[in-house]
Amino acid sequence: DTGVSQDPRHKITKRGQNVTFRCDPISEHNRLYWYRQTLGQGPEFLTYFQNEAQLEKSRLLSNRFSAERPKGSFSTLEIQRTEQGDSAMYLCASSQDRPNEKLFFGSGTQLSVL
Amino acid sequence: AQSVAQPEDQVNVAEGNPLTVKCTYSVSGNPYLFWYVQYPNRGLQFLLKYITGDNLVKGSYGFEAEFNKSQTSFHLKKPSALVSDSALYFCAVRDGGATNKLIFGTGTLLAVQP
Repeated sequence: DTGVSQDPRHKITKRGQNVTFRCDPISEHNRLYWYRQTLGQGPEFLTYFQNEAQLEKSRLLSNRFSAERPKGSFSTLEIQRTEQGDSAMYLCASSQDRPNEKLFFGSGTQLSVL
Repeated sequence: AQSVAQPEDQVNVAEGNPLTVKCTYSVSGNPYLFWYVQYPNRGLQFLLKYITGDNLVKGSYGFEAEFNKSQTSFHLKKPSALVSDSALYFCAVRDGGATNKLIFGTGTLLAVQP
């Protein structure tokens, strides 16, 4: 169990640029989640994958956000035309494919949009 | 919709004293409740969960939580606080769908003074 890995740890970008984050879940975990966390708030759900299928997206998720998990292993989260309001910590989590399993979180990618 | 509330932004306690971090929940159906801890610059770590059974749930690092259905609460407790317990604590509830996604509270900062 090497844990959930996220890359990069930090990203600074200018408004209007596109950014992409990567998440490598624990290898035997079928379920993968993306969350966003801003200062003083709890993590907010963005999207969920079961294997390669994206089964749920938050209604709060702008169409500038897209996520993929092409082979059911790693996942990417892309934000197009970034805005200052996108500045946040983006967290990835994975879990086994059983009810009420705990989520294992990565250390996150801190995005700063200037 | 499922939700949790953490009424205290910060809890201060002296080392060696018992600690309580409060959480109340609102759910339709059976509650599935979790506690996570977040240390600076690190991802969330699972502490414990309540699914069914005993109202007192034991978890990692000496923490436990008491489920109280009549008060719709799930308070986190520890008999003797350590300075190293200082961190951000999040209560969460499993969403009602099949995804296992968690809905998090706003977090409580625990500060343990030596």
